[in-house]
Amino acid sequence: GDSVTQMEGPVTLSEEAFLTINCTYTATGYPSLFWYVQYPGEGLQLLLKATKADDKGSNKGFEATYRKETTSFHLEKGSVQVSDSAVYFCALSDPGSARQLTFGSGTQLTVLP
Amino acid sequence: GAVVSQHPSRVICKSGTSVKIECRSLDFQATTMFWYRQFPKQSLMLMATSNEGSKATYEQGVEKDKFLINHASLTLSTLTVTSAHPEDSSFYICSATTSTDEQYFGPGTRLTVT
Repeated sequence: GDSVTQMEGPVTLSEEAFLTINCTYTATGYPSLFWYVQYPGEGLQLLLKATKADDKGSNKGFEATYRKETTSFHLEKGSVQVSDSAVYFCALSDPGSARQLTFGSGTQLTVLP
Repeated sequence: GAVVSQHPSRVICKSGTSVKIECRSLDFQATTMFWYRQFPKQSLMLMATSNEGSKATYEQGVEKDKFLINHASLTLSTLTVTSAHPEDSSFYICSATTSTDEQYFGPGTRLTVT
């Protein structure tokens, strides 16, 4: 079945540091890939997505590239802010799965001033 | 953008009682809604898929008689936790899909069973 493996946290960085959160996936078809962010006490918000190989999703300074050859979708940001502190989830949606999302375990990011 | 609301945001109930959680798509029609459960510091676990006008499809291990799902209209789905017990305490999140298949998530409902 489909699965998503992402870097375990928690991750603690200083403001303006470079961020990478690794994500790899296993899927039978050609999935769409997503990064969601969850702020404390809130639901999930879509951060960015990519629907085919070599697509780059980007939003709010975050970006991730769909790498089919390495089955990866790593999240990066060049300079994090305190307001980026949240839990980040990598997810995939397999075309054959009735639009269900399969989530990774989540990575807690804390950015210190 | 597409907005999904949940009500209530927090609920405390006594063991043995039932509680209903509403999920509404505010500015779009959602043919499919999903219900997730999230334990502290863990990922989301899909509980069931709800299609308007038909019975929900439950994931393996989820008791359909305990977690009753009703999708009465294209903008409303409800999850009723029946005979709640402390182990049902969790964060319940719904999502709704649009015609583009993108999922929009509600803010979640924190259920505490005492």
